[in-house]
Amino acid sequence: AQSVTQPDIHITVSEGASLELRCNYSYGATPYLFWYVQSPGQGLQLLLKYFSGDTLVQGIKGFEAEFKRSQSSFNLRKPSVHWSDAAEYFCAVVMMDSSYKLIFGSGTRLLVRP
Amino acid sequence: DVKVTQSSRYLVKRTGEKVFLECVQDMDHENMFWYRQDPGLGLRLIYFSYDVKMKEKGDIPEGYSVSREKKERFSLILESASTNQTSMYLCASSFPPPDGNTIYFGEGSWLTVV
Repeated sequence: AQSVTQPDIHITVSEGASLELRCNYSYGATPYLFWYVQSPGQGLQLLLKYFSGDTLVQGIKGFEAEFKRSQSSFNLRKPSVHWSDAAEYFCAVVMMDSSYKLIFGSGTRLLVRP
Repeated sequence: DVKVTQSSRYLVKRTGEKVFLECVQDMDHENMFWYRQDPGLGLRLIYFSYDVKMKEKGDIPEGYSVSREKKERFSLILESASTNQTSMYLCASSFPPPDGNTIYFGEGSWLTVV
């Protein structure tokens, strides 16, 4: 079955440290890939997306993600985390079949130590 | 500037009641989605629709049904509400295929079943 896996439920990093959040998908073809962020009590905000082309994509707030077809992964990275980055992060994919099903991972909650 | 409207933000219903959650979008989108969001489980797809009267089951359709009689409206129905359906329900809409920038989310409906 098609699925999106975020293996880390929680991640804690120190402010200024680098960050990598993992995302793997299970699908026969290359889907559209997204990362969203949700702050407490807030809606979902799109950080970045990948459709095709350059496998390293840049997003807002200093985030980037790399698509690796061989690993079916789309990991999110940031070189230096700020306290305001503390939030929940969701990976999402669109299955590129006739109905364009949009599914999300279970999320990773990021905590930032001062 | 509201584009996806969920009719009720907060509802409290009794076990066994029939519950309707309404979602309306004003962007002429073909795709509409219903998710529920629970801590640690992320957004799980309940049902989605890619055209009027067309629907597909998501990952957790049990206990739910949907209706899409008009393009702009996608209703989620809990035929007999149960306490394990207490959750936040989120509607989304997009053009096909969902482009991250053109996926719009409602504000969510918090349902408590007692």
